[in-house]
Amino acid sequence: DAGVIQSPRHEVTEMGQEVTLRCKPISGHNSLFWYRQTMMRGLELLIYFNNNVPIDDSGMPEDRFSAKMPNASFSTLKIQPSEPRDSAVYFCASSPMGGRLNQPQHFGDGTRLSIL
Amino acid sequence: GENVEQHPSTLSVQEGDSAVIKCTYSDSASNYFPWYKQELGKGPQLIIDIRSNVGEKKDQRIAVTLNKTAKHFSLHITETQPEDSAVYFCAARGQGAQKLVFGQGTRLTINP
Repeated sequence: DAGVIQSPRHEVTEMGQEVTLRCKPISGHNSLFWYRQTMMRGLELLIYFNNNVPIDDSGMPEDRFSAKMPNASFSTLKIQPSEPRDSAVYFCASSPMGGRLNQPQHFGDGTRLSIL
Repeated sequence: GENVEQHPSTLSVQEGDSAVIKCTYSDSASNYFPWYKQELGKGPQLIIDIRSNVGEKKDQRIAVTLNKTAKHFSLHITETQPEDSAVYFCAARGQGAQKLVFGQGTRLTINP
């Protein structure tokens, strides 16, 4: 079975550029989570969706960050304009049944983002 | 909100020995505690989880224990093997919540 698929795996760009990260959740999962991982702050939840609707975006660091989920099989995380401090590994995760009833979250392999 | 502390940050054990990683949480309402293993260049992978109505759960060489009174839970790996080398994360989730709060991770190294 296909897991969570993220693209690109690596992204290197100059500050000020727009960056778009993509995620395809596991088929049938209706909750989707975006995380950021850094050495200093560990794994942080940025935003999550239930049934394509954003539920909690309190972890989004600034207005430069935005996320969308236009359908059940696709989500994007966009940074515009990007800054060097946005450099991190960004993970997408999905879970079934809206994430309730303690359903586990399944992670993709992440996008390693470097902003020069 | 929930806060999860994980210790140690690094752990080195001889192959065949046991490894124990400990986590404490702050929210007594938390009721779900997963453990993830992250290998280099990969995303975290769920290896075992425990719910608050259970004190211990075992899956082959891996076990997790939960002490709700003390608000701590631990991961036990027995008969360690080189492929157990990775970073391990604990997490906690509150009742009715969807957000996982992660510990800072433990880098486990198994020495042959």
